[in-house]
Amino acid sequence: NAGVTQTPKFRVLKTGQSMTLLCAQDMNHEYMYWYRQDPGMGLRLIHYSVGEGTTAKGEVPDGYNVSRLKKQNFLLGLESAAPSQTSVYFCASSPARTGSSYNSPLHFGNGTRLTVT
Amino acid sequence: DAKTTQPTSMDCAEGRAANLPCNHSTISGNEYVYWYRQIHSQGPQYIIHGLKNNETNEMASLIITEDRKSSTLILPHATLRDTAVYYCIVRVLNTNAGKSTFGDGTTLTVKP
Repeated sequence: NAGVTQTPKFRVLKTGQSMTLLCAQDMNHEYMYWYRQDPGMGLRLIHYSVGEGTTAKGEVPDGYNVSRLKKQNFLLGLESAAPSQTSVYFCASSPARTGSSYNSPLHFGNGTRLTVT
Repeated sequence: DAKTTQPTSMDCAEGRAANLPCNHSTISGNEYVYWYRQIHSQGPQYIIHGLKNNETNEMASLIITEDRKSSTLILPHATLRDTAVYYCIVRVLNTNAGKSTFGDGTTLTVKP
């Protein structure tokens, strides 16, 4: 049981390049989230998904797109990377709010460290 | 979700109890208090959560005041491995999505 796995762990991009970050979870969770964390700061929600095929904007969605084609995967895309997107990106998942999972916590991956030059 | 306020940093001696405060004066009746911690460069790790009663698990205890406007996370016997950033968040559980706002947290340094 790997939990939440993020790939890649590190990446360096040049301004204007594109890339996709992959988040995979093996816990059969309904909800998945993408956060970014800038140095010395807390986490800010970028986008989230409450189920396969559905996504929604979070606090800081500009410059990012997401897709949830399979329940276990949540992809974060940068179409044209900018230096302001240099950050550590964390993915999280949680069960749906039903029954015994009603107040289940978030499960986080170990992050992708992205540098845009 | 309600906003939380935490001290920026705290120190604790190894083996002593670490008491981390959190203010959430605008908390609503349906909002739970959650605590997570983030050890250097890793993803946040869930510690404990509660609504209005005090809670205890194998990692920590959570004390919530009667008016629910503040809470304290207690690590009973802090070790060097407890050095981390601790986040207090409040979360509404009657919505579809588990959106949670993470502030800057408290950096706890456990010293030998």
